[in-house]
Amino acid sequence: GQQLNQSPQSMFIQEGEDVSMNCTSSSIFNTWLWYKQEPGEGPVLLIALYKAGELTSNGRLTAQFGITRKDSFLNISASIPSDVGIYFCAGRASGGSNYKLTFGKGTLLTVNP
Amino acid sequence: NAGVMQNPRHLVRRRGQEARLRCSPMKGHSHVYWYRQLPEEGLKFMVYLQKENIIDESGMPKERFSAEFPKEGPSILRIQQVVRGDSAAYFCASSPPVTSTDTQYFGPGTRLTVL
Repeated sequence: GQQLNQSPQSMFIQEGEDVSMNCTSSSIFNTWLWYKQEPGEGPVLLIALYKAGELTSNGRLTAQFGITRKDSFLNISASIPSDVGIYFCAGRASGGSNYKLTFGKGTLLTVNP
Repeated sequence: NAGVMQNPRHLVRRRGQEARLRCSPMKGHSHVYWYRQLPEEGLKFMVYLQKENIIDESGMPKERFSAEFPKEGPSILRIQQVVRGDSAAYFCASSPPVTSTDTQYFGPGTRLTVL
């Protein structure tokens, strides 16, 4: 089946620093999504990407859909303490099962004030 | 506009008991998905339902697990004769009719603990 490799697994940064995380896939996706999950809650959609090469921003967050359609990255600029949480990438393939989301294992972000 | 609702938020069961997890999709959404998340793992797809129809249950264990989305009322994920390995967070997501640009919105999850 499809696999997503998400890295890094965890990051410890100082407030104000920029953060970058990425996902790579063993197969092509036609949609990339980035979610944030806080303790005891469900994933909240941050950014959705639908076209190869697409670069989309949401406030201090920027994500790109890789040209090969097998990767995506998420950048967070000028991090703040409330950015703490687990960030998941998720991809959706084309074809008959295009409703299924395949998730990475997440990047745990800790921001020291 | 309320988001996806799930209840209970926490559920404790003893081995052999039944667990029932409920999900009410967002208003206007007719598609429901269930995912399972084990500790320190990403979410794994279990089942995709539309009203009164199971579209894809390929991610759901063949034994003891079942799901439904009746014409009226919430979607139900049912786990019979629970075992310790069923302990996990179960998330429901909903979406409008599937298109190339739809996205899935998740509920807060039900944390199941099997003693």
